[in-house]
Amino acid sequence: LAKTTQPISMDSYEGQEVNITCSHNNIATNDYITWYQQFPSQGPRFIIQGYKTKVTNEVASLFIPADRKSSTLSLPRVSLSDTAVYYCLVGDRASGTYKYIFGTGTRLKVLA
Amino acid sequence: GAVVSQHPSWVICKSGTSVKIECRSLDFQATTMFWYRQFPKQSLMLMATSNEGSKATYEQGVEKDKFLINHASLTLSTLTVTSAHPEDSSFYICSARGSSGGYNEQFFGPGTRLTVL
Repeated sequence: LAKTTQPISMDSYEGQEVNITCSHNNIATNDYITWYQQFPSQGPRFIIQGYKTKVTNEVASLFIPADRKSSTLSLPRVSLSDTAVYYCLVGDRASGTYKYIFGTGTRLKVLA
Repeated sequence: GAVVSQHPSWVICKSGTSVKIECRSLDFQATTMFWYRQFPKQSLMLMATSNEGSKATYEQGVEKDKFLINHASLTLSTLTVTSAHPEDSSFYICSARGSSGGYNEQFFGPGTRLTVL
């Protein structure tokens, strides 16, 4: 079972800021939160990773509250090329094997 | 960043034949590799986890005799779809986790599109 919950889809317009929130109520103490972007017929591409508070890189910011039960990916000024599926992942350490279980992801559509 | 390649990028085969897909970590040693399957407009589904030199661990519902995984070296894992049928047509993606990086670092390949006629 996926350990994360995200909105299934979102629409936005070019130039707007997009915030995608992910719920991960059962996150473990050592788990990091990682976001990936996937275009059709391509493998997921790493966007950003964080453990707590705020992380920022050249493409996105990641906000993580103190209880770490949720996180928000923020994409500033999106463009048409940001239309993709975005996945929030946390590690799943069940059975002693650290592995990623993908949830449904959020299908972002950027409109002109 | 770390690069993972897959070969072939796409393959078409006849029903009943076997197909091998390679996954390589190009610039790092991958102690653990993962195989996913993705159907159109669906999420990635983890099929199995393989550690170098040991047998793969399959997720529930994945037939180990049908999807043979070999992780013989720190840079190569292979997935063989045996006696493929049209329902096996899917997008197969591998990922790799390095031995030097934290266990949170996982790098994905570009995927292999399998079409079984």
